[in-house]
Amino acid sequence: DGGITQSPKYLFRKEGQNVTLSCEQNLNHDAMYWYRQDPGQGLRLIYYSQIVNDFQKGDIAEGYSVSREKKESFPLTVTSAQKNPTAFYLCASTTGLGYEQYFGPGTRLTVT
Amino acid sequence: KNQVEQSPQSLIILEGKNCTLQCNYTVSPFSNLRWYKQDTGRGPVSLTIMTFSENTKSNGRYTATLDADTKQSSLHITASQLSDSASYICVVSGMAAGNKLTFGGGTRVLVKP
Repeated sequence: DGGITQSPKYLFRKEGQNVTLSCEQNLNHDAMYWYRQDPGQGLRLIYYSQIVNDFQKGDIAEGYSVSREKKESFPLTVTSAQKNPTAFYLCASTTGLGYEQYFGPGTRLTVT
Repeated sequence: KNQVEQSPQSLIILEGKNCTLQCNYTVSPFSNLRWYKQDTGRGPVSLTIMTFSENTKSNGRYTATLDADTKQSSLHITASQLSDSASYICVVSGMAAGNKLTFGGGTRVLVKP
């Protein structure tokens, strides 16, 4: 898991509630990413950030929001607009685009 | 559209036996290909990373091959151990703007004693 931490490991929420997933890294990496993983599917990119105070939408950004106020932190908010939020969420970081990504341990979100 | 297809989706092998996982991709232009191991409920961990000019790369009992002409890669596990039970994910990076990664769906390997 390297120097990337995600919390909590398991998260349960009621439908209609927003929830924020934490991601912190001490690797001094510039770029950070959020992915969603569903059973039997490849990881799908939600948002990524190459530098503090800047981020871009990935392939499935609808219903999610992020912030990058500090280099070490890249929290992901799953909003009530996300129609199917139950999934395994992975945060990753890298020294730059195209370089090897280091993944956190993941957060399993269950919305009922 | 960039795609990465892995096969088989899952396989069961006996401890001590060898197995080979396949990865076909359509990402172009190609930059590099990585194989990750993901234990259940954990984040993926890198096994190998290969660039265009590399044909083979080993990491202990794991050996990855790359044929950039046919856009195919394989991951060979030698003398499997129970701890090899995991999902193995093939990831391809393109040289297009953003160098975003394209992930395969993974192969789930179960090693039985």
